[in-house]
Amino acid sequence: GQQLNQSPQSMFIQEGEDVSMNCTSSSIFNTWLWYKQDPGEGPVLLIALYKAGELTSNGRLTAQFGITRKDSFLNISASIPSDVGIYFCAGRYYNAGNMLTFGGGTRLMVKP
Amino acid sequence: DGGITQSPKYLFRKEGQNVTLSCEQNLNHDAMYWYRQDPGQGLRLIYYSQIVNDFQKGDIAEGYSVSREKKESFPLTVTSAQKNPTAFYLCASSIAGTGANEQYFGPGTRLTVT
Repeated sequence: GQQLNQSPQSMFIQEGEDVSMNCTSSSIFNTWLWYKQDPGEGPVLLIALYKAGELTSNGRLTAQFGITRKDSFLNISASIPSDVGIYFCAGRYYNAGNMLTFGGGTRLMVKP
Repeated sequence: DGGITQSPKYLFRKEGQNVTLSCEQNLNHDAMYWYRQDPGQGLRLIYYSQIVNDFQKGDIAEGYSVSREKKESFPLTVTSAQKNPTAFYLCASSIAGTGANEQYFGPGTRLTVT
């Protein structure tokens, strides 16, 4: 199946810092989605991207659909403690119907 | 409120027993999905259904079975043939069709088999 590489796998954040994470694919994707999962809960959809180059914001979150259609980026500005959790990217390969491929997740934790 | 419900939140079973996880949605979505999530891992597709009375195997269907008798419901049975059933199980739904990509998830069921 298609592979999505998400990085970093984990990172520590300090309140107020900006955070960046990305996903790359070996193939062209038609759609990129970003989800956040809190411990013991289901993922919640944050942002959906449908066109190459598209830049979409949701509050302090901004995501971009890469021009090559093989990558996507998520930025969180001025992080707050409730940003802690696992962020997943998901993409739809061009002939995959409405099946999604998920990245391995980026775990955000608070610096001690 | 529209959404997806999964029950129970926690489930404990003895090895060798079949167990059925419930998933119900009132979003009027045609497509429903079951994923498995292991600690520190991403989501892996078990089964999906695009329409009532039809379903297809995902990447890790062995040891699982599903039914789709109603649009709102997509129960997953974890059979005794599943070698490593302890995991967090997530149900999702979406509208069907190639332009429909946004999947919405339920709260999950954590299954522990001992």
